[in-house]
Amino acid sequence: QKEVEQDPGPLSVPEGAIVSLNCTYSNSAFQYFMWYRQYSRKGPELLMYTYSSGNKEDGRFTAQVDKSSKYISLFIRDSQPSDSATYLCAMDSGAGSYQLTFGKGTKLSVIP
Amino acid sequence: DVKVTQSSRYLVKRTGEKVFLECVQDMDHENMFWYRQDPGLGLRLIYFSYDVKMKEKGDIPEGYSVSREKKERFSLILESASTNQTSMYLCASSRDYTQYFGPGTRLLVL
Repeated sequence: QKEVEQDPGPLSVPEGAIVSLNCTYSNSAFQYFMWYRQYSRKGPELLMYTYSSGNKEDGRFTAQVDKSSKYISLFIRDSQPSDSATYLCAMDSGAGSYQLTFGKGTKLSVIP
Repeated sequence: DVKVTQSSRYLVKRTGEKVFLECVQDMDHENMFWYRQDPGLGLRLIYFSYDVKMKEKGDIPEGYSVSREKKERFSLILESASTNQTSMYLCASSRDYTQYFGPGTRLLVL
């Protein structure tokens, strides 16, 4: 069983839709959860960062962590064509190694 | 703003050549990482470093080596490039759990 599972997509939505991107994980020790956005042929950029369970909101983006279900989500409200990218989840146990475990990414296309 | 720069965006090399990929970060981060990214395989960790002159193997170190002589600079070396090392190479740095990535180097080995 892979440590982090992420549906690769592609996911295609119309402009203005609410997008839900998800990852499941198996390691209950994970405490730190991140979402990265990667545009084509560019490096990943950090989008959201949460610790433990709960929600975090930043503009149109909401990150949600449910540690009891080992499930994290990224919601994008009022999606825009500029949101078209690959979204990677990443997580760390907080044990001090600072090595992240990444999902393989979900490719999102927002159609005008 | 954290800035991580990589020496080249695109590189074309011949099989057997020695290849140097350079990464520089300007935020005084202790930790630096080299990944490769391939379609369907995601990000795979090659090497990482927690401090100057320190290095640790990641998941796929074979065929690669690294050098960290200064805190801000982390170099990836392909001792003898092979076609299966054609990939996107990404450098990252961090102080804690959040890693910041460079723009990547697309390497083609012919």
